[in-house]
Amino acid sequence: GENVEQHPSTLSVQEGDSAVIKCTYSDSASNYFPWYKQELGKRPQLIIDIRSNVGEKKDQRIAVTLNKTAKHFSLHITETQPEDSAVYFCAASDEAGTALIFGKGTTLSVSS
Amino acid sequence: NAGVTQTPKFRVLKTGQSMTLLCAQDMNHEYMYWYRQDPGMGLRLIHYSVGEGTTAKGEVPDGYNVSRLKKQNFLLGLESAAPSQTSVYFCASSYYTGGNQPQHFGDGTRLSIL
Repeated sequence: GENVEQHPSTLSVQEGDSAVIKCTYSDSASNYFPWYKQELGKRPQLIIDIRSNVGEKKDQRIAVTLNKTAKHFSLHITETQPEDSAVYFCAASDEAGTALIFGKGTTLSVSS
Repeated sequence: NAGVTQTPKFRVLKTGQSMTLLCAQDMNHEYMYWYRQDPGMGLRLIHYSVGEGTTAKGEVPDGYNVSRLKKQNFLLGLESAAPSQTSVYFCASSYYTGGNQPQHFGDGTRLSIL
């Protein structure tokens, strides 16, 4: 079945710096790759997603890139702010396309 | 429009007790999911449902049962709770397949088994 690896597990940056989180997946049939942000004690919330027919997608300070050949995708956050501090999860669709397999998460800390 | 609502928010059980977690959504979503979240383990899928009256196993189904008698509700049951089931449980739903569309999460249920 699908396996999703996420790195790094923790990431500390200074306010204004960029942050990059990387994920790899194992099933070449996966076609949907969302990213979720979870603040402490809160629910996971979708921040951006990308489908397999697109190589890059941007939404203000957030961007996601997808390399289907290498089976990896990345989240890029520019001009980080303290409110970006949270746990970020990547996910990939399973082989049947009915569910998501999540990475183990990256704890991002942005210090001012 | 409440979205996805989970009850209860917190619960403490003794080993061997049973309980049911309720997930309700008011968005007319077809697909519903139950996850557990443990430190350093991410979100792991327990069971899911692709429509009223259907259920399917996820990655970690052992020790849990589910039912989807009504489209808006998805119940997660623990028949004989074990300390290893101490976790935060999240329910999610999506209009169509959550493997291809955003999933909307509830606020979670924090469950402790003593």
